[in-house]
Amino acid sequence: DIVMTQSPDSLAVSLGERATINCKSSQSVFYSSNNKNYLAWHQQKPGQPPKLLIYWASTRESGVPDRFSGSGSGTDFTLTISSLQAEDVAVYYCQQYYGAPYTFGQGTKLEIK
Amino acid sequence: EVQLVESGGGFVRPGGSLRLSCAASGFTFSKYWMHWVRQAPGKGPVWVSRLNYEGNVTDYADSVQGRFTISRDNAKNTLYLQMNSLRVEDTAVYYCSRAGLRWGQGTLVTVSS
Repeated sequence: DIVMTQSPDSLAVSLGERATINCKSSQSVFYSSNNKNYLAWHQQKPGQPPKLLIYWASTRESGVPDRFSGSGSGTDFTLTISSLQAEDVAVYYCQQYYGAPYTFGQGTKLEIK
Repeated sequence: EVQLVESGGGFVRPGGSLRLSCAASGFTFSKYWMHWVRQAPGKGPVWVSRLNYEGNVTDYADSVQGRFTISRDNAKNTLYLQMNSLRVEDTAVYYCSRAGLRWGQGTLVTVSS
């Protein structure tokens, strides 16, 4: 199974500042035949289901604000929130969908400083 | 708009059975692999199972292999999860997911003596 490891486990950032979450996979999730990284980011607010933010490592889901961006390739990925808003307080998960079993990182809890 | 509505959750004793359903709308159901993902209270998401378009190729997490069965009815745009021999550790919110990325609202399964 591909193990996904996120860092940090928790993060406190001031409103308007940049937040960065990292995700590392135990093996590459890049598929060379279509040049795509099978890596997604999800946001989960308390009492709500997870919500897809980013797929193919860097493609924003429709309706997701452009302050959210994803980058990286192979085994190392980053989710960046360029200017933190109060409504961004949540737990963020990376997920690989390169192959079954699909696996998730342990989550990063993002709070306001 | 993609909509996934799960139902069938509830309280069951260890060793019991439940059948979850997921009604899909807003997209061509028969063109997508469909998945189940679960999330135990206070924990991160864990992938459970997936099923291909026609319903003849399945994958399961080791923890549910042999106890759970995923199926679909493309005429009814509905995904199912038959859960047998339930254990206390199966307690979780179960989410239906399109392609393993987009989520429903979830249905709670509680297994307790």
